[in-house]
Amino acid sequence: SAVISQKPSRDICQRGTSLTIQCQVDSQVTMMFWYRQQPGQSLTLIATANQGSEATYESGFVIDKFPISRPNLTFSTLTVSNMSPEDSSIYLCSVAGTAGSPLHFGNGTRLTVT
Amino acid sequence: RKEVEQDPGPFNVPEGATVAFNCTYSNSASQSFFWYRQDCRKEPKLLMSVYSSGNEDGRFTAQLNRASQYISLLIRDSKLSDSATYLCVVNYGGSQGNLIFGKGTKLSVKP
Repeated sequence: SAVISQKPSRDICQRGTSLTIQCQVDSQVTMMFWYRQQPGQSLTLIATANQGSEATYESGFVIDKFPISRPNLTFSTLTVSNMSPEDSSIYLCSVAGTAGSPLHFGNGTRLTVT
Repeated sequence: RKEVEQDPGPFNVPEGATVAFNCTYSNSASQSFFWYRQDCRKEPKLLMSVYSSGNEDGRFTAQLNRASQYISLLIRDSKLSDSATYLCVVNYGGSQGNLIFGKGTKLSVKP
């Protein structure tokens, strides 16, 4: 399976600031995804990062709050903008093969907003 | 509404015990199923896919019951290292955007 490197692994940020999370994959992948896992909760898909076009956001997530870049088939970024304590969560990058195949996750970014 | 339900646990078992987790899903159109393992403060990692005929990987056995819409995971001869949260994941078909994650079942194996 692909090796997925995510950074930073953790950060503590002040409210009102923004944080950009990077996800690097060691091979070209068609589909990259960003998930959020709030404390005690299941993983929730934020968006699908599309190479060469705008990301596709799930209900409840908007581009202004979570802008995503996907400049090529091995890299993506997720920005958490104008942070509030409610954004404290683990953010996970993931990749998959063909439709229906299982996901593999990066090591995650543990974000704490104070 | 598409949901995946799991008993949150925790399941506290002694080493060597056999433990089973169940997971129910709400949408009969679900196409593929997986069990993930998540250690504390780590990312989820694929444990095994679940096939219609059931499948086994060492001490782990996964089964699917489409009629009753549930998936099970059986762990035999539990090890201390099996302590983790086990996530049930259902793909309703098409893109990965149709993956629904359960909240997970926490397992604690004691010496």
